[in-house]
Amino acid sequence: SYELTQPPSVSVSPGQTARITCSGDALPKQYAYWYQQKPGQAPVLVIYKDSERPSGIPERFSGSSSGTTVTLTISGVQAEDEADYYCQSADSSGTIEVFGGGTKLTVL
Amino acid sequence: QVQLVQSGAEVKKPGASVKVSCKASGYTFTSYDINWVRQATGQGLEWMGWMNPNSGNTGYAQKFQGRVTMTRNTSISTAYMELSSLRSEDTAVYYCARVGRPGLRNLDYWGQGTLVTVSS
Repeated sequence: SYELTQPPSVSVSPGQTARITCSGDALPKQYAYWYQQKPGQAPVLVIYKDSERPSGIPERFSGSSSGTTVTLTISGVQAEDEADYYCQSADSSGTIEVFGGGTKLTVL
Repeated sequence: QVQLVQSGAEVKKPGASVKVSCKASGYTFTSYDINWVRQATGQGLEWMGWMNPNSGNTGYAQKFQGRVTMTRNTSISTAYMELSSLRSEDTAVYYCARVGRPGLRNLDYWGQGTLVTVSS
């Protein structure tokens, strides 16, 4: 079965840049999506189509793609950005969706 | 405004079935696919499958094949997810989510989640 791999945790100080990676063999063929989830809440889409930002999402959130890895970058991290982040994509056939295991972002 | 409102929490015994509803409002229900995602306590998101509310076509994750059924009632703009042969490992929050744009897979609106507890 297809898997997306994320680091379990990332820690940064306020104002610094956080980078969260997501690796998968089909990522060169399939778009990736990123979600932010805070405790007790439903996930919120923060990046779609690898690097597009939905309306209402702060400009400090950006996405990029290189080969089999996509990266969510949060510039000038704020305390309110502390959350779990999940990548989502499809397998090479495009029929099965998968989420990465999630990355807990801690703002020190 | 777009809203997905799910049914309330359920407690089921092992071997039983559960049916969770997801009522859509604020948009044309038949124009956007619905996905179902679950999350066990303290765990990550797990994709279960998708449904096209217009055609009724579905696609399920292999893990749930044979146990999950996704349906809809277009007259009341409601999607349903039924999971059978429940076991303790199915205890989780179940979410419905709308696919925001045809041809993409972005889940732009989510329901509030429904806690399903499987316990004898």
